[in-house]
Amino acid sequence: GDSVTQMEGPVTLSEEAFLTINCTYTATGYPSLFWYVQYPGEGLQLLLKATKADDKGSNKGFEATYRKETTSFHLEKGSVQVSDSAVYFCALPNSGNTPLVFGKGTRLSVIA
Amino acid sequence: NAGVTQTPKFQVLKTGQSMTLQCAQDMNHEYMSWYRQDPGMGLRLIHYSVGAGITDQGEVPNGYNVSRSTTEDFPLRLLSAAPSQTSVYFCASSPDSVRGTEAFFGQGTRLTVV
Repeated sequence: GDSVTQMEGPVTLSEEAFLTINCTYTATGYPSLFWYVQYPGEGLQLLLKATKADDKGSNKGFEATYRKETTSFHLEKGSVQVSDSAVYFCALPNSGNTPLVFGKGTRLSVIA
Repeated sequence: NAGVTQTPKFQVLKTGQSMTLQCAQDMNHEYMSWYRQDPGMGLRLIHYSVGAGITDQGEVPNGYNVSRSTTEDFPLRLLSAAPSQTSVYFCASSPDSVRGTEAFFGQGTRLTVV
């Protein structure tokens, strides 16, 4: 089936540092790709998505570009804040009618 | 609009006990699913449903049952709780089965089996 591999954490950054979280995928065809975020004690919520190759999803200063040639969807932010501390998950729909398959998550801690 | 509501938020069970985790959504979504979240394992799919009366197994279905009698509700039943089922459980829903549809998550149920 389809799968997602994302970089292991945890990642600790100082405020205003540049963030990259790597995500690569294996999929049949060209599904939409997603980044979800989980703040402490909460459920997952959609951060951004891209629906086709070369699309760039963006939200709250985060960006990710759907790269078909490298099968990647890396998450970036130019200047992180303490409030960005959370767990980030890369995801894609599995083949057929099955729901989303997730990477293992990357915990980000931003210190002031 | 409440979205996806899970109850309870916390639960402690003794080994061998049974219980039902409740999940309800008010968005008229066809797709619903249950995941468990464990440290270092990400989210793993337990069961899912593509509509009322239709369910299927995910990656880790053993020890869990589901049914979908209405569009709104998708309860998860633990038949005989085991310590290995200690986890955080998330219910999710999405509008349809078309690939590329966003999923909406509940706040989670933290279950401890002692």
